[in-house]
Amino acid sequence: AQSVTQLDSHVSVSEGTPVLLRCNYSSSYSPSLFWYVQHPNKGLQLLLKYTSAATLVKGINGFEAEFKKSETSFHLTKPSAHMSDAAEYFCVVSDMRGQNFVFGPGTRLSVLP
Amino acid sequence: SAVISQKPSRDICQRGTSLTIQCQVDSQVTMMFWYRQQPGQSLTLIATANQGSEATYESGFVIDKFPISRPNLTFSTLTVSNMSPEDSSIYLCSVDIGNSYNEQFFGPGTRLTVL
Repeated sequence: AQSVTQLDSHVSVSEGTPVLLRCNYSSSYSPSLFWYVQHPNKGLQLLLKYTSAATLVKGINGFEAEFKKSETSFHLTKPSAHMSDAAEYFCVVSDMRGQNFVFGPGTRLSVLP
Repeated sequence: SAVISQKPSRDICQRGTSLTIQCQVDSQVTMMFWYRQQPGQSLTLIATANQGSEATYESGFVIDKFPISRPNLTFSTLTVSNMSPEDSSIYLCSVDIGNSYNEQFFGPGTRLTVL
């Protein structure tokens, strides 16, 4: 069975400061890992994905995440937050067949001016 | 990638009625999925819809309540039957385009309110 823990339900940062959204996973298989973003009243957008090619993954809008197998973590970071980054972020784990997609509970990111 | 549309985008329904949600993809895909996102919650998989076979439902979801059709490789419907206020949620469809990354692309969702 697979599961995802997002350690913070809400993170608040000031514009221009770094962002760290934490994600830990549990998987019986070699997992694929994803971060999705959901802006208010919008659909889900894929930010980035890890599929065993490289442990440091770069995504859209300046986000990146590092896969650490020893820590079973896949934390999302961005060097400098922008007001437009305010949204809900979901960490997702799937097995390599992509047939079992498990969402974390989500982290709401607020960006203060 | 894939472009996915859903109809309706939102609806307000009366208790005891049913609503059918449509999901259309701009390319042929084997695997389509339906999710529910209850207010303030994360996404929960309802079922996997593969063309030419019965949908596979996750624990806690049954066909009588959430019948699904998958008539071809670009289209699927989800019906929410005999609705109650507890069914008020966003319903999203997604597709796996079958590349090596197993990523899913999501539709914009259908926001359902049951009175």
